[in-house]
Amino acid sequence: DVKVTQSSRYLVKRTGEKVFLECVQDMDHENMFWYRQDPGLGLRLIYFSYDVKMKEKGDIPEGYSVSREKKERFSLILESASTNQTSMYLCASSLTGTGTSLTGELFFGEGSRLTVL
Amino acid sequence: AQSVTQLDSHVSVSEGTPVLLRCNYSSSYSPSLFWYVQHPNKGLQLLLKYTSAATLVKGINGFEAEFKKSETSFHLTKPSAHMSDAAEYFCMKTSYDKVIFGPGTSLSVIP
Repeated sequence: DVKVTQSSRYLVKRTGEKVFLECVQDMDHENMFWYRQDPGLGLRLIYFSYDVKMKEKGDIPEGYSVSREKKERFSLILESASTNQTSMYLCASSLTGTGTSLTGELFFGEGSRLTVL
Repeated sequence: AQSVTQLDSHVSVSEGTPVLLRCNYSSSYSPSLFWYVQHPNKGLQLLLKYTSAATLVKGINGFEAEFKKSETSFHLTKPSAHMSDAAEYFCMKTSYDKVIFGPGTSLSVIP
């Protein structure tokens, strides 16, 4: 079974702190994604990566950066956390799709619930 | 713009009765469509997927979905709801350069 592991399930940080959210997948997937999930707003894509050292902005990249130095690991970085970044963060990975599709099914981690005070 | 619509934000059913969660997508050539389930404070788990094979797709936990190209729909059904089915359900579409999620449907199951 594919396993996507998010190292921290629950974090509490203070405004202005630098925050690292780590995600590791064990199935050699090319694609990795970071989403945030808020009540009433669904899942919103922050960044995705289709290869090592490659990244693409999603719908809401402001205030975030990412790092993919190794294929299995995709880190989300909040350079200076703010209260409006309090949210559930979900990491996902996938193989490259077949035919006309960018990606196959996404495999999700358990999520990291971040509270910024 | 491409989109995925889930017509009901909340559905409530009695235990043992059928479940219908609706999903419509903007038309594109040969879409791949998925249904995911999310229990509270958990990640999303794949229920089933359609990738241009059989139009009736069977998934885990007794769920199935039918791809109807003429209606651009991919509705999720289950003949008999169980208490453990109470969760949030997301329809997802992938295309050449996009992954698009619907807004989600919250399913409540009444004992």
